[in-house]
Amino acid sequence: KNQVEQSPQSLIILEGKNCTLQCNYTVSPFSNLRWYKQDTGRGPVSLTIMTFSENTKSNGRYTATLDADTKQSSLHITASQLSDSASYICVVSTNSGYALNFGKGTSLLVTP
Amino acid sequence: SQTIHQWPATLVQPVGSPLSLECTVEGTSNPNLYWYRQAAGRGLQLLFYSVGIGQISSEVPQNLSASRPQDRQFILSSKKLLLSDSGFYLCAWSPARVRVGNSPLHFGNGTRLTVT
Repeated sequence: KNQVEQSPQSLIILEGKNCTLQCNYTVSPFSNLRWYKQDTGRGPVSLTIMTFSENTKSNGRYTATLDADTKQSSLHITASQLSDSASYICVVSTNSGYALNFGKGTSLLVTP
Repeated sequence: SQTIHQWPATLVQPVGSPLSLECTVEGTSNPNLYWYRQAAGRGLQLLFYSVGIGQISSEVPQNLSASRPQDRQFILSSKKLLLSDSGFYLCAWSPARVRVGNSPLHFGNGTRLTVT
């Protein structure tokens, strides 16, 4: 069964600190992995996409990593800002069908 | 630029009442359209997707139905709501002829539905 597990479920950090969110998956066959940011009461917005051959990809203060061998990904946020408070969702896609495999998300709260 | 509109933002409906949520996309033609539900503590669940007018595929059998009367209009309906239909409903689009996942999903801002 295809599954996407994210940890931690929730996280509180001080403004300016760094944090790392984890995503483990058992989706097969793997096509790509995408991280979304979802602000409270809004729809998710794509941050970055990782394909099988990519190990690291950055988008501003966000850096995603992928280890396709261990089926793990991480999202590192540098110098956090209050606006980073949101839910971060890991989504893994296969090469067939229209259904994507969503994690339950990590809820991040950045406090002053 | 492309935009997606979804309404209403919040809705409180009694059990047994009908439902109609609407989603429209601007700035693109023949998009793939999706309805998702997000329940508390759970990942997004695909309910319906459509690759063209009148073409609807259901991923999960349930109390809901979807229709696509126009190219950029997607409607989620129910004849009689259940308590279990409560949740956050999201409409999304992706470009036509691009495998889902190879391009980002563009989501609307959702409808918070509470069935009482």
